[in-house]
Amino acid sequence: DVKVTQSSRYLVKRTGEKVFLECVQDMDHENMFWYRQDPGLGLRLIYFSYDVKMKEKGDIPEGYSVSREKKERFSLILESASTNQTSMYLCASSPPRHNTGELFFGEGSRLTVL
Amino acid sequence: AQKVTQAQTEISVVEKEDVTLDCVYETRDTTYYLFWYKQPPSGELVFLIRRNSFDEQNEISGRYSWNFQKSTSSFNFTITASQVVDSAVYFCALSEELIQSYNTDKLIFGTGTRLQVFP
Repeated sequence: DVKVTQSSRYLVKRTGEKVFLECVQDMDHENMFWYRQDPGLGLRLIYFSYDVKMKEKGDIPEGYSVSREKKERFSLILESASTNQTSMYLCASSPPRHNTGELFFGEGSRLTVL
Repeated sequence: AQKVTQAQTEISVVEKEDVTLDCVYETRDTTYYLFWYKQPPSGELVFLIRRNSFDEQNEISGRYSWNFQKSTSSFNFTITASQVVDSAVYFCALSEELIQSYNTDKLIFGTGTRLQVFP
């Protein structure tokens, strides 16, 4: 069964803390994505990666960074968490464009910043 | 600019009713893809369908059907004889073509429609 696994379902952090959200996929996909989901705003793309060590900004990259040292793993980093980063974070992966273009999602990580 | 609008924030129906979820999109691309995803309470978005912009045929899969109309830039989703298990948030999405070297497109999502099906 193909899978995208996010390391933590729920996290509670304090303002100013450094936060790591980990995502691992077992489908050998080239592309990986981090989205943020907020009520009334849908899903917004933070960063994506189309290859190991390659990353590109999405629509809302401010306050975030990413790391892709291995093909199967894509990490989202909040250098100094703020309360407005309280949200649901969704990781996804996909094969190259010439395939279905379908994104495979993890179950999400709900982050609360106090 | 690329945009997806799901005007219905929340819909409530009783089991066995038919329900249609609306999706309207804006794009400047001539080739694009439209998607529907389902997000059940567990949180994981599940892919339902992808439609190519050149293929306007309607599609039916069991109780699910999709109506793609390029003339009105709409890609609506109908559930026939709804069931409690259909309760979820449904997202419509549009692909935005990135540069070729990325070998991927970016998906732009609507704000979602929460469907509640009551027994």
